[in-house]
Amino acid sequence: DAKTTQPPSMDCAEGRAANLPCNHSTISGNEYVYWYRQIHSQGPQYIIHGLKNNETNEMASLIITEDRKSSTLILPHATLRDTAVYYCIVRVDLMGNTGKLIFGQGTTLQVKP
Amino acid sequence: GAVVSQHPSRVICKSGTSVKIECRSLDFQATTMFWYRQFPKQSLMLMATSNEGSKATYEQGVEKDKFLINHASLTLSTLTVTSAHPEDSSFYICSSDRGGKLFFGSGTQLSVL
Repeated sequence: DAKTTQPPSMDCAEGRAANLPCNHSTISGNEYVYWYRQIHSQGPQYIIHGLKNNETNEMASLIITEDRKSSTLILPHATLRDTAVYYCIVRVDLMGNTGKLIFGQGTTLQVKP
Repeated sequence: GAVVSQHPSRVICKSGTSVKIECRSLDFQATTMFWYRQFPKQSLMLMATSNEGSKATYEQGVEKDKFLINHASLTLSTLTVTSAHPEDSSFYICSSDRGGKLFFGSGTQLSVL
């Protein structure tokens, strides 16, 4: 079963920041928070991941609360092409080994002009 | 560029035939690959974990004789849907771990008539 809870849908105005929340209250100490998104009829795309520190890359920022029970994905300037289903997933990250990703229902983000 | 290549992107077949889907890791060796299935308006469901040189591990409820997985090399895993029926029509997606991140293929839309 998925170990995360996300709102089913959100709207965002084009050019504004999109803040997508995720609850993972049962996260373990060795589990990372991963974010992926899926645009219709395509494979999921990796966005960002983190353990306990905030992370930023060219796509987004990830803010993880100090107790690690929740996180927020931030798309700083949403565009129409960011319309997608966003999945928040917790996963044990073992370099040189693999942990399977279990997807929840995700958040459908609709960016509006 | 793409890290995982999946082929074909779309296939239509008659009921009772078998369909093979290929998943290749590009420029890296993948000892483990994951196969997912996705029905319309639903999330991705993990079907099985493909292990190079050994038998695949199937998730509960997935028929191993129905969905044959072969991982004969470090860059190729195949999923064969045997004796396909209309209820097998779905979007099939593979993924592979590279550097702690799971990368996904572009998916295969299977339609069984």
